[in-house]
Amino acid sequence: EVQLVESGGGLVEPGGSLRLSCAAAGFTFSSHNMVWVRQSPGKGLEWVSFISGSSASIYYADSVRGRFTISRDNAKNSVFLQLHSLRAEDTALYYCARDGPGSTTYFDYWGQGTQVTVSS
Amino acid sequence: SYDLTQPSSVSVSPGQTATITCSADGLGDKYVCWYQQKPGQSPLLVIYQDTKRPSGIPERFSGSTSGNTASLTISGTQTMDEADYYCLAWDINAALFGGGTKLTVL
Repeated sequence: EVQLVESGGGLVEPGGSLRLSCAAAGFTFSSHNMVWVRQSPGKGLEWVSFISGSSASIYYADSVRGRFTISRDNAKNSVFLQLHSLRAEDTALYYCARDGPGSTTYFDYWGQGTQVTVSS
Repeated sequence: SYDLTQPSSVSVSPGQTATITCSADGLGDKYVCWYQQKPGQSPLLVIYQDTKRPSGIPERFSGSTSGNTASLTISGTQTMDEADYYCLAWDINAALFGGGTKLTVL
């Protein structure tokens, strides 16, 4: 059974930093690209970042480029999102999701999310 | 920037057919997938690569495309289908979600 479990969220002041983690199980982790998607309270879904299975390809949404860094550790079946220079508008539930097998066109499994709140 | 346009809301009576659209310039050249999200839950993939249905998704869910518009159709809509629905497509090195459609079954 595919499982994705996010952690690392919390309350942080504007300008602060956080490191989100996503632990994966139930599939060959290194064979799948991974993404982070966020959802602000009462709002829609927003794609944040993508990392390929080998970490060779990394992409970011314009809204986070230069402030967030995605990485992965295939030996530990984990993907990470380092958040810097946080703003109030980064407040959201952050999901990690698995890219579908063989093609970067859909995300087939999602975690339950970890809440990030940016407030003074 | 590239925007996927969805209606903000769609209403349907139980047993009827609901259709949710997703449109954008050039969307016909891209694969589209669809997610269902119920309150307090993570998104659930219901259609991928325009028309494919993941294992476990009821047959009443179907996807189609015409030109630059993708559609999610729910035939024989049930009250349990009431949820928010989002389309997703990839542009150049970026994934984009539509704004979401609230489906009301009443």
